[in-house]
Amino acid sequence: QKEVEQNSGPLSVPEGAIASLNCTYSDRVSQSFFWYRQYSGKSPELIMSIYSNGDKEDGRFTAQLNKASQYVSLLIRDSQPSDSATYLCAVEESNYQLIWGAGTKLIIKP
Amino acid sequence: GAVVSQHPSRVICKSGTSVKIECRSLDFQATTMFWYRQFPKKSLMLMATSNEGSKATYEQGVEKDKFLINHASLTLSTLTVTSAHPEDSSFYICSATNYGQGDNEQFFGPGTRLTVL
Repeated sequence: QKEVEQNSGPLSVPEGAIASLNCTYSDRVSQSFFWYRQYSGKSPELIMSIYSNGDKEDGRFTAQLNKASQYVSLLIRDSQPSDSATYLCAVEESNYQLIWGAGTKLIIKP
Repeated sequence: GAVVSQHPSRVICKSGTSVKIECRSLDFQATTMFWYRQFPKKSLMLMATSNEGSKATYEQGVEKDKFLINHASLTLSTLTVTSAHPEDSSFYICSATNYGQGDNEQFFGPGTRLTVL
């Protein structure tokens, strides 16, 4: 059974601080990894995709991938109250389907 | 990112009726569309994978005769919930992707909230 694990949280971070979200996956052959943000009652929105080991930066967001450790993370710098949401980690299978983590609820406190 | 629309955004129906949900990719051709269901405070559950011009592939436990999927064109897929019952009440979300362009990101529609009375 292929799995994607996330801490459900909630993760509480002060405004302006760095929020760190973590995800581990079980399928060693996975090549594509995604972070989605989902606000309550809304559908997921793609934040970052990462395919190679190392860091990928986009604005205040940095995705980090370590395939040897089967670990992918998302850092949010200068956290804002509007970043409060559930963050979903997704790992692509060979048949293009996504295996989803249960999500981490992030709360940014003003 | 690419834009995916869903219609309707919200529907309330009586038990025993059928409901059709449309998913459209507005600015790209979607070789593959996915249909998900999400219950409150739960993660996304994949129901089926739909490729244009072919039959949908359903996940284990999803009744293909109850959840009819038609992917008639590269921009439109429909999900019909037949003979809906209260336990079918959920948030239904589609996503679309175009693997032919070498970009395998899935873009989500805004979702359809179904309430069956």
